[in-house]
Amino acid sequence: GAVVSQHPSWVICKSGTSVKIECRSLDFQATTMFWYRQFPKQSLMLMATSNEGSKATYEQGVEKDKFLINHASLTLSTLTVTSAHPEDSSFYICSALRTSGRKYGKNIQYFGAGTRLSVL
Amino acid sequence: GQQLNQSPQSMFIQEGEDVSMNCTSSSIFNTWLWYKQDPGEGPVLLIALYKAGELTSNGRLTAQFGITRKDSFLNISASIPSDVGIYFCAGQRETSGSRLTFGEGTQLTVNP
Repeated sequence: GAVVSQHPSWVICKSGTSVKIECRSLDFQATTMFWYRQFPKQSLMLMATSNEGSKATYEQGVEKDKFLINHASLTLSTLTVTSAHPEDSSFYICSALRTSGRKYGKNIQYFGAGTRLSVL
Repeated sequence: GQQLNQSPQSMFIQEGEDVSMNCTSSSIFNTWLWYKQDPGEGPVLLIALYKAGELTSNGRLTAQFGITRKDSFLNISASIPSDVGIYFCAGQRETSGSRLTFGEGTQLTVNP
């Protein structure tokens, strides 16, 4: 199978501090990873696409200076929530794209277990 | 962002019953995926569909890629308590850079 590890699973922090979340693909290399945010009883909302060795692509309305993404290796992407505030409290989920080697088709996203962020 | 129309929103069934849920879209997708999410966890891939008309099974789960490429359904046969969770459909287009469009989810409750 394709295993994606996300750490930490749960973090509580004080308002104004920064929090880093790690996403690792354990048994495959991923040039592309994705970061999502999920509110209770809602679907996943894509925040940004993380590309190894280049800048992340952010979705409309997502502040790039607020949510810093670094994809420094083929197995690790990090999301840093800077100067966190209570409204940033949410469930953050990453995914890693496992590719088939073809330009199109059979490129599947495998998800981490998520990180519950609570900002006090 | 754009979402798929997934129905039903929630289902309450008895153990042993069969379940069916579906997703529809106004536009075409090249790949349909079905994921299951347990509380406090990330989505887990159940079935991936790559061709229009394709019917694929994974144990008690069966999913189909609609002929028009604008819809997909997921069936669960002989439900058991551990089937409880939220089921999401997701569509992928060749032009989307492997980004997914998600349905709103179907919350399944199975009464023993």
